[in-house]
Amino acid sequence: GAVVSQHPSRVICKSGTSVKIECRSLDFQATTMFWYRQFPKKSLMLMATSNEGSKATYEQGVEKDKFLINHASLTLSTLTVTSAHPEDSSFYICSARDEFQNTEAFFGQGTRLTVV
Amino acid sequence: GNSVTQMEGPVTLSEEAFLTINCTYTATGYPSLFWYVQYPGEGLQLLLKATKADDKGSNKGFEATYRKETTSFHLEKGSVQVSDSAVYFCALMRNAGGTSYGKLTFGQGTILTVHP
Repeated sequence: GAVVSQHPSRVICKSGTSVKIECRSLDFQATTMFWYRQFPKKSLMLMATSNEGSKATYEQGVEKDKFLINHASLTLSTLTVTSAHPEDSSFYICSARDEFQNTEAFFGQGTRLTVV
Repeated sequence: GNSVTQMEGPVTLSEEAFLTINCTYTATGYPSLFWYVQYPGEGLQLLLKATKADDKGSNKGFEATYRKETTSFHLEKGSVQVSDSAVYFCALMRNAGGTSYGKLTFGQGTILTVHP
């Protein structure tokens, strides 16, 4: 299947700093990317949907000023956790699909964020 | 709205035992249904899928049948292996257009542990 690469796989940052997570589609055009957050022992919660060249659409309850999403090209989307706090520690996973080819969603490997 | 309910885990089995993980859904229209697997420390991988009623998805010995009459998509495997130990997520995606097209709604996940 298609490959989605997410980087970094693990990051530890200090409280108050910002962290950027990258999500790249390596062999297809990701017209749409999705960012999920997974709490320990719970399911994945969709945070936002981004279409290339457009502003992201955030789910209810997700702070768009805290979780900045950029999708400037058909192969790259970034999620920036601004002014991170310990409660932002979580597993973040992106997925990408090609709307025009009506593909399934392919997932990245995920990023384990720990804020200390 | 859309929702997915999975049987609560964790599920602990001996090698070669029969596995069933129940999944039921609520959705408008005709969604596609998926099972994803997450191995320890990794992202999600698509295990199998079904896009219309009565379809059977299968992969690596796992099977699930799309039952519209019971709104279910139960995952089964006749003989599990230690390497099947992972977290299994049932998910749905709307097939029709609209703002939620392409988004996945996940169940809460079921932890499976298989002992030798």
